[in-house]
Amino acid sequence: GESVGLHLPTLSVQEGDNSIINCAYSNSASDYFIWYKQESGKGPQFIIDIRSNMDKRQGQRVTVLLNKTVKHLSLQIAATQPGDSAVYFCAEEAGNNRKLIWGLGTSLAVNP
Amino acid sequence: NAGVTQTPKFQVLKTGQSMTLQCAQDMNHNSMYWYRQDPGMGLRLIYYSASEGTTDKGEVPNGYNVSRLNKREFSLRLESAAPSQTSVYFCASSFGGANEKLFFGSGTQLSVL
Repeated sequence: GESVGLHLPTLSVQEGDNSIINCAYSNSASDYFIWYKQESGKGPQFIIDIRSNMDKRQGQRVTVLLNKTVKHLSLQIAATQPGDSAVYFCAEEAGNNRKLIWGLGTSLAVNP
Repeated sequence: NAGVTQTPKFQVLKTGQSMTLQCAQDMNHNSMYWYRQDPGMGLRLIYYSASEGTTDKGEVPNGYNVSRLNKREFSLRLESAAPSQTSVYFCASSFGGANEKLFFGSGTQLSVL
């Protein structure tokens, strides 16, 4: 999940297992949500997005679930691979000004 | 296609010095953005340009200026660098506006002493 502070929450999984990264968003008016992956020394890379009129969206090995009732977003990665090791950010587009609000990130470590 | 290219990759400045971070994209995107990333703070938007000829302030614009030189290029200028501007800076672009899928550069690590 997301938290405030200098140390990112870390999820450690075994290679081949499924990973679930959680994100609690803040604004009930948010209607667009995005997940980005950031590998060490690189810029964030778009993974998948979802609009609030959907509960679930699937990509290649990834699924995003949106629960508007509890303002919760999750990213599921199937058959996690070493190359999935990175920091994952959720972001929400909120308000009439359409600003993008970024979470603080979750570090995913994949053990061989 | 190179995507989004930022220069320089690393820079060390003394307090009060000025510098310009360069960014160019070759994807014919309309919108461009400058973010800074600090530990524990996530990504924060400094300035953005929704289209050629327009620029708008983001969340943390103080101490920065930008120029959308043409559709491809969007530069970020620090007129008088301060230690608080030590950060990693990312340029991004998107085809549409309003935070559609962003493509990021590889970042500039800036240290202000």
